[in-house]
Amino acid sequence: AQTVTQSQPEMSVQEAETVTLSCTYDTSESNYYLFWYKQPPSRQMILVIRQEAYKQQNATENRFSVNFQKAAKSFSLKISDSQLGDTAMYFCAFNFGAGGTSYGKLTFGQGTILTVHP
Amino acid sequence: EAGVAQSPRYKIIEKRQSVAFWCNPISGHATLYWYQQILGQGPKLLIQFQNNGVVDDSQLPKDRFSAERLKGVDSTLKIQPAKLEDSAVYLCASSPGLASGEQYFGPGTRLTVT
Repeated sequence: AQTVTQSQPEMSVQEAETVTLSCTYDTSESNYYLFWYKQPPSRQMILVIRQEAYKQQNATENRFSVNFQKAAKSFSLKISDSQLGDTAMYFCAFNFGAGGTSYGKLTFGQGTILTVHP
Repeated sequence: EAGVAQSPRYKIIEKRQSVAFWCNPISGHATLYWYQQILGQGPKLLIQFQNNGVVDDSQLPKDRFSAERLKGVDSTLKIQPAKLEDSAVYLCASSPGLASGEQYFGPGTRLTVT
């Protein structure tokens, strides 16, 4: 079975500091895509960053970066210089079956509530 | 570029009543998804359309839920009759069909069943 686990239900950080959100997964697939989505209190889900499993280089988008450890099946999100607008629920999500019958289906973790304090 | 549109944003109904949600995907996106997100949990896929055909509806409770995507654009999700456990946010997402499976989400409809 393909599973996604976010073991931190809640995290908090002071404004301008750095925080890391954890995510682990289990799959027997070799080619897949990984995402972090942000869901602010308004509930619009927004894509933060994506990573392709066959790429060794970790993805970076401005203040957001990932630490992808394929052998350990770990995919963490680092937010640098945290801002008040980063307060949201964060979900890691995976497309485990790129191509074939699982094409496009995302499997989500349980989410981590991040609060940025002024 | 306009995003995924959904309506209504909020709906309160009594159990055993029926309800319908509407979704308009991003223009040109062939793939459309409906998710159910129960409070405090990640979204769970209910149904996936490719154009106007169903790709995956294995998690859709077909005794009470139905969905259609006529003409391969707009989609409607219906619940009849509703149960208390259907209280959730119903998210619609669309995808341009990239190999990554990247999806773009609408604002959701918050359903409360009393």
